[in-house]
Amino acid sequence: DQQVKQNSPSLSVQEGRISILNCDYTNSMFDYFLWYKKYPAEGPTFLISISSIKDKNEDGRFTVFLNKSAKHLSLHIVPSQPGDSAVYFCAASETGSSNTGKLIFGQGTTLQVKP
Amino acid sequence: DTAVSQTPKYLVTQMGNDKSIKCEQNLGHDTMYWYKQDSKKFLKIMFSYNNKELIINETVPNRFSPKSPDKAHLNLHINSLELGDSAVYFCASSQIGWGIEQFFGPGTRLTVL
Repeated sequence: DQQVKQNSPSLSVQEGRISILNCDYTNSMFDYFLWYKKYPAEGPTFLISISSIKDKNEDGRFTVFLNKSAKHLSLHIVPSQPGDSAVYFCAASETGSSNTGKLIFGQGTTLQVKP
Repeated sequence: DTAVSQTPKYLVTQMGNDKSIKCEQNLGHDTMYWYKQDSKKFLKIMFSYNNKELIINETVPNRFSPKSPDKAHLNLHINSLELGDSAVYFCASSQIGWGIEQFFGPGTRLTVL
C-alpha cells in the first residue's frame, strides 16, 4: 500500500529547460511534504518543502506546487542544469499532536539533464 | 564537520552472521531514524528514537534491534542475517519541532552472501 507515488521512474530534459517532477499521495492526513535529491552512493539531501496550508513554495530555481484537492504535488526546476541530474524523492508526513517525524517516501524519479 | 555519519560504508557478510551498523550525528538533534532502501529503491522507515526512547517501530523482523546509547548515536544490530537483508541502510536525524526535515547519512550498503 504505497501512500506516496512517483509514477515516472525517469525524466530526461535539455539543459536550460524546465524539469517537472510529479508526486501523488493517498493519505489526506498528510500535511507536510518534502523533496529530497540523491546522488549515487550518497544519502538523500533535503531540497525544499511545503506545508499543506500553502500551495506554492519557491527557493531559487526550485518551486514546489501543492494541489490538495488532487492530492498531487510537483517540483519545478528552472532552468535545469546538468548538476541537477540525480534521483528525486518526494516525501510526506502527518504532523500534529503525535508528530514522530515519520516520513513516507515515494519510489523516486531519476532526472537526467543533458548538456 | 560531518553532520550524520555511518560506519561502515560497505559491509559484505555471510548468511547467518550477526552485524552492526553505527550512526552518529553532531547536529544536536533529538531524534534519529533508520531507513532501508531495497533493490527496488523504495526508502522505508524502520525505527526512530527520540532522546533514546523508541518512538517508531515499523513491521521489521525482530532480528533487527536498534540501540541508542545517547541521543547522538543510533546503532543497528542485525542477527542471523538473511539474503533478503541485502540493501542500503540510511541513518537520519531531525529535531522535531524545529522542522520536519531529516538529515541523512551516506548510507551503508549491506550485502549478504
